[in-house]
Amino acid sequence: KQEVTQIPAALSVPEGENLVLNCSFTDSAIYNLQWFRQDPGKGLTSLLLIQSSQREQTSGRLNASLDKSSGRSTLYIAASQPGDSATYLCAVRLRTNAGKSTFGDGTTLTVKP
Amino acid sequence: DGGITQSPKYLFRKEGQNVTLSCEQNLNHDAMYWYRQDPGQGLRLIYYSQIVNDFQKGDIAEGYSVSREKKESFPLTVTSAQKNPTAFYLCASSITGPGTEAFFGQGTRLTVV
Repeated sequence: KQEVTQIPAALSVPEGENLVLNCSFTDSAIYNLQWFRQDPGKGLTSLLLIQSSQREQTSGRLNASLDKSSGRSTLYIAASQPGDSATYLCAVRLRTNAGKSTFGDGTTLTVKP
Repeated sequence: DGGITQSPKYLFRKEGQNVTLSCEQNLNHDAMYWYRQDPGQGLRLIYYSQIVNDFQKGDIAEGYSVSREKKESFPLTVTSAQKNPTAFYLCASSITGPGTEAFFGQGTRLTVV
């Protein structure tokens, strides 16, 4: 059974810092990995989708990497802003059942002005 | 605008009642999903459907039921058999198949009173 772990559970940084969020998974036979943002009481907004054949994806100040062999993905946020404060979740879709994704518990980020 | 609409945003249920949460999408996606989210935790899959008139149980299907009579709609019924239904419920959809991005609704918060 795929397990997805996100460390740390919470992170507080001053505005302007670069930061890295971590996601690890136990089964490397994945189709893709997706990073989401969730604001309090809201649904999930997709940030980046990395296919199993890719090593990284970039969107603006966000960069996500994927290392299947070690079962890890990182989300790098450059020049953090207070508006980046949210919970960030990663989700992994396995090759064995492409219709289902397994989610981590998320990292709650607070960027202080 | 294309997207996923969940209603209602807030729902209160008395003990012993069944309630139905609505999820509608106009993205022409074949696959739809229902997740449950408890405070500080990631998403757990309740049910998913990859085609009309077909659906499969997820990891926590007990006490829930679904139907998929139309491509656009995937309602979730929380039955009286669900002993701890208070949670945030999220609906998602995607194109069927691997490597595809999932899109989420804004969620329904269900509270038992």
